[in-house]
Amino acid sequence: DTAVSQTPKYLVTQMGNDKSIKCEQNLGHDTMYWYKQDSKKFLKIMFSYNNKELIINETVPNRFSPKSPDKAHLNLHINSLELGDSAVYFCASSLLTANTEAFFGQGTRLTVV
Amino acid sequence: AQTVTQSQPEMSVQEAETVTLSCTYDTSESDYYLFWYKQPPSRQMILVIRQEAYKQQNATENRFSVNFQKAAKSFSLKISDSQLGDAAMYFCAYRIHEGANNLFFGTGTRLTVIP
Repeated sequence: DTAVSQTPKYLVTQMGNDKSIKCEQNLGHDTMYWYKQDSKKFLKIMFSYNNKELIINETVPNRFSPKSPDKAHLNLHINSLELGDSAVYFCASSLLTANTEAFFGQGTRLTVV
Repeated sequence: AQTVTQSQPEMSVQEAETVTLSCTYDTSESDYYLFWYKQPPSRQMILVIRQEAYKQQNATENRFSVNFQKAAKSFSLKISDSQLGDAAMYFCAYRIHEGANNLFFGTGTRLTVIP
């Protein structure tokens, strides 16, 4: 029973393409997140959604857009991919209370060529 | 702004020995939570241990324990009886009761376990 699942695990695509990464959680959590892990392993928050509302939006390019069709899903759509977008993207979910941990998906390694 | 600092990019430990990974953080909040996550080569982020800032008692989970020094804003992780499976990246993280409550991560420490 996968708690947070994201697809695909690996994504190789050319510059300029548009791609999406899907994320689903079956934990009943009310908040979902997207994190980016760069080549130096640094994890940075990109977006979070609570009850289908965007709560925060860090300074990421507007080529990145989160889409949440329902509380259990938060997809990440990326337009006009650039070489610098190559990274591992993690979806996570949690309850909106700080004393609980976030559960992470297995990550999507995006390579832009 | 919340920042989390892990000053040891890499650490190594002999199997069965003990190792301590350091973490410091900067915050003006009084109520917050601290976590250690482990990321093995499989990439999966796994929670190791958590600590509530209002609790003075250090958290312990089997071979893993923390040394939480609130005044010093320090949150180190001690791994006892190290096992080969402990080899991974370890991330310290911080979370507050505000907004989206997202986790702020440190830069990570790569732990190598020597057989």
